Amino acid sequence: GNSVTQMEGPVTLSEEAFLTINCTYTATGYPSLFWYVQYPGEGLQLLLKATKADDKGSNKGFEATYRKETTSFHLEKGSVQVSDSAVYFCALSTAYSSASKIIFGSGTRLSIRP
Amino acid sequence: GAGVSQSPSNKVTEKGKDVELRCDPISGHTALYWYRQSLGQGLEFLIYFQGNSAPDKSGLPSDRFSAERTGGSVSTLTIQRTQQEDSAVYLCASRMERGSTDTQYFGPGTRLTVL
Repeated sequence: GNSVTQMEGPVTLSEEAFLTINCTYTATGYPSLFWYVQYPGEGLQLLLKATKADDKGSNKGFEATYRKETTSFHLEKGSVQVSDSAVYFCALSTAYSSASKIIFGSGTRLSIRP
Repeated sequence: GAGVSQSPSNKVTEKGKDVELRCDPISGHTALYWYRQSLGQGLEFLIYFQGNSAPDKSGLPSDRFSAERTGGSVSTLTIQRTQQEDSAVYLCASRMERGSTDTQYFGPGTRLTVL
């Protein structure tokens, strides 16, 4: 079945550090891949997405590249800020299969120290 | 409205009582999802509605949980005889249509506390 495995947290970094949150997936067909973010006290919101191999999603300085050969979609940011502290969820959707729900990873809590 | 709305935002109930949670999806979105997020956990899929098709109920944890979607728009998630383990944030999301790579848009959630 389809699944998403992401780096366990919590992850604590200093401001301006480089961030990587690993995400790998298992899926039949050609899934779309997403990163969602949940800031403290707020709802879940889409951060970025990629719908086919080698696509790069980017937003707010975050990037992730859809790597079919390694079935990965790692989230990166070159210089994190305190305001990036949140929980990050990797997810996939196989739009053309019978299972149309999004499969989420377990989430990675990120804390940035000033 | 512009986004997915849910009500109430918070619900505190006593064990054994029934609760109803409401979701208003984005206008025109035919797909609607319910998820549950327990403290410190990821998102657990509960149920999925798509147009007039039979809902995918494969994620409902017990027969105490049920959901309806009236008129292809508003949805209500009902939990009967609530238990303490039902305490969680219940999230609703909508998407344009099945078979699309469009994003799911989430509501702010309903925080349910069962005493």
